[in-house]
Amino acid sequence: AQKITQTQPGMFVQEKEAVTLDCTYDTSDQSYGLFWYKQPSSGEMIFLIYQGSYDEQNATEGRYSLNFQKARKSANLVISASQLGDSAMYFCAMRGGSASKIIFGSGTRLSIRP
Amino acid sequence: AAGVIQSPRHLIKEKRETATLKCYPIPRHDTVYWYQQGPGQDPQFLISFYEKMQSDKGSIPDRFSAQQFSDYHSELNMSSLELGDSALYFCASSLKREGWGTGELFFGEGSRLTVL
Repeated sequence: AQKITQTQPGMFVQEKEAVTLDCTYDTSDQSYGLFWYKQPSSGEMIFLIYQGSYDEQNATEGRYSLNFQKARKSANLVISASQLGDSAMYFCAMRGGSASKIIFGSGTRLSIRP
Repeated sequence: AAGVIQSPRHLIKEKRETATLKCYPIPRHDTVYWYQQGPGQDPQFLISFYEKMQSDKGSIPDRFSAQQFSDYHSELNMSSLELGDSALYFCASSLKREGWGTGELFFGEGSRLTVL
């Protein structure tokens, strides 16, 4: 069975600081994908970044980077130079093996202080 | 770029009524997924379709049904609505590649259903 664990229910960070959101996963599949999504208070689910299990380099998208440590089964999201607009719920998710669906972690609510 | 389109964005129904949600995937995407997100919860997978055939099934109630049409749009039909069905319903789409473990998945803005 696959499982995603996000151990930080909420985080407060000062504006312009970097922040790391933790995510660990469990799977027996050799091929899988890891995702991070941002959900602002308006409700939409915004795709941020994707990492494939066979990708040798960590994924980066602008201010977002994914710290992928395969042996530790962790896929932490790093946001550099946080902005007030980064305040939102962040979900880590994965898809793997023969399953096409993705499963989500419980989320981390990030609040950026001015 | 075109995104996943969902309609309606907001829907208010009475208990025991029926509701239909529509989803138009990103052009050339062949797989559609439906998720339900209750208040303060993470999204829960309901059902998915690949090339108009059901490809995976999650915690979808028997009162709900869904299908994917020839133009790849999908509809989620919900009958005998209950108060607990009040939630944000997301549709997502992706393009199948070699193996399911790769490939990005994009969500629509969601349809918020309120059952009174």
